[in-house]
Amino acid sequence: AQSVTQPDIHITVSEGASLELRCNYSYGATPYLFWYVQSPGQGLQLLLKYFSGDTLVQGIKGFEAEFKRSQSSFNLRKPSVHWSDAAEYFCAVKPGGFKTIFGAGTRLFVKA
Amino acid sequence: SQTIHQWPATLVQPVGSPLSLECTVEGTSNPNLYWYRQAAGRGLQLLFYSVGIGQISSEVPQNLSASRPQDRQFILSSKKLLLSDSGFYLCAWSTGVDETQYFGPGTRLLVL
Repeated sequence: AQSVTQPDIHITVSEGASLELRCNYSYGATPYLFWYVQSPGQGLQLLLKYFSGDTLVQGIKGFEAEFKRSQSSFNLRKPSVHWSDAAEYFCAVKPGGFKTIFGAGTRLFVKA
Repeated sequence: SQTIHQWPATLVQPVGSPLSLECTVEGTSNPNLYWYRQAAGRGLQLLFYSVGIGQISSEVPQNLSASRPQDRQFILSSKKLLLSDSGFYLCAWSTGVDETQYFGPGTRLLVL
């Protein structure tokens, strides 16, 4: 069965430091890949997505993600974290059809 | 541009009472519509999805039901709420052109 793994339940980084959130998926072919961000009590906002083409994808708020087929990974990165980036981040995979499979999420804490 | 609305934003209901949560989408036609539940500290659980008026697919057996009486309206219901129905309910939409799901602001349901 298809699955999405976000191995880090929570991560703490200092403001201004770089960030990498990990995401691995289990699927035979290359699915559509997404990263969403959720602030407390809010809905999910799309950060970026990968369908095909260039494996390095740029998103909103200075985020980027790199698709690595050999590792079945789609890690999210940001070179310099701001306090406002504190939120929960969800990786998602759409293998086909109507359903999207979400990871359990990684909560990001930013310390001053 | 497209927008998605959910109401109410917050709801406190006694056990055994009925439930009706509403989701409407503007600015698009014939969207795919989804209901998710997010328990505290958990990822997203797909409850129902719909590809057209009157067409509902259920993902998990439970105390809830969904209906789509109009093209851009999706309703989540229950005849008798359980304590375990508490959570954050998110509605989302997508189209066949763009595989991305876009989320509403959510409804916080507390069953006491």
